[in-house]
Formats: sequence, structure tokens, C-alpha cells
Amino acid sequence: QVQLVQSGSELKKPGASVKVSCKASGYTFTSYPMNWVRQAPGQGLEWMGWIDTNTGNPTYAQGFTGRFVFSLDTSVSTAYLQISSLKAEDTAVYYCARDGAVTTFDYWGQGTLVTVSS
Amino acid sequence: QSALTQPPSASGSPGQSVTISCTGTSSDVGGYNYVSWYQQHPGKAPKLMIYEVSKRPSGVPDRFSGSKSGNTASLTVSGLQAEDEADYYCFSYAGSNNPPFGTGTEVTVL
Repeated sequence: QVQLVQSGSELKKPGASVKVSCKASGYTFTSYPMNWVRQAPGQGLEWMGWIDTNTGNPTYAQGFTGRFVFSLDTSVSTAYLQISSLKAEDTAVYYCARDGAVTTFDYWGQGTLVTVSS
Repeated sequence: QSALTQPPSASGSPGQSVTISCTGTSSDVGGYNYVSWYQQHPGKAPKLMIYEVSKRPSGVPDRFSGSKSGNTASLTVSGLQAEDEADYYCFSYAGSNNPPFGTGTEVTVL
């Protein structure tokens, strides 16, 4: 069965970096794009962008350029989200989500809480 | 990216129906038949309920249905059950623009 398993919660200080992993299983990793979605505490869902798992080419949404980097390690069927120069407002749950069709997120990771606090 | 507009809340008694609207523009909802809906229970990951406006993934009860008219998509939950109490978000393809999520609707079963 399809599963996306994300890395555990992180507590970071402002200015630090964090790397969230999303390990896929149960399907051919390179056959489906991977998206990233952010949810700040008590807020709605925000699409961050996606990465082509075939080519590794990322696309970032407005507001997620510069400090946010999507990457892959296809040898272990894993997608990564790295955030640098962390700010308090980056505190959120970050989800990876498989794109099963055109902007159809059919499988989601369990979410990774990133807390940025001094 | 501008979020799609949803009502903040909706409610109904068990067995009744509730309909949630999702209003966008001709550049997203109105321009493509690629609207999806997600259910999110507190502390859980979202779950796909409807895709391509009105298609249901396997395992989703047929009490959930989707439709679209112009720039507004809708999700209807018929025969409300206690487990339907959750937040619901719409999402739309937007061509070369960043695709937006809806603002979210909290559904309460009275």
C-alpha cells in the first residue's frame, strides 16, 4: 500500500536550518510528482510547490522562493524540504503529498511539526 | 497566490445535508475541471475526498459529491454523520499560476 512517512518534529532556533524528509513506499517513486504543503498553527493549508521526481526540477509557489529548497534521493525514494534562515513565522506543520493526477493529492505524509523559537 | 473563498463554517443535524462553496476566478476554478476537496480532522493529515470536480476516490462514501458552476465549486455531504465533523478545503489547478487552496470550512454536526 502507498505510504508517505515523514521525519519527526523539530525544534530550531531562529537563523538555523532544518531538513524534513518524506519517504515513499508502495509505488514507483519517480512516477508521481511530490508536493509540499504548509499549515501554520490554527491556519489553513498553503501550497508551497512541487518537485518533478523524474527530473528533480522544483517549482516554488510565491512566498516560498529563496529559503526553501526541494530535493530528492531517488535511490531511497525520499523527498526533502530544506528551510534555511528559519524565522518564527516558519513555525508550522509541513506535509508532503503525492500528486496522483492534475493537482490531486491522493496520499499525504503524516506531517512534520517545525517549531522555531529562541 | 490568492486563496479560494469558502464560508468559515457550516453545520447540519445528523442525516441532513450540508453544501460548502468554493469561489475562485476564471483563472482557476472556472477555467479548469481540476478542483479537489480535502477533509482534515484535528491533528491529522488531509484526506482526498473529491477530485476533478466530481470524482470520488475508492473508499470515500457516496454521501460525498462535488459539482461546479462557473467560478464556484461545491462539496455536498448528504446524510451527515458524526465522523463528517472536520475542516474541508478545496484546491484548484490554475494553469501557469500558483494553484490555491480554499480558506477552509469547519463543518459541525449538531
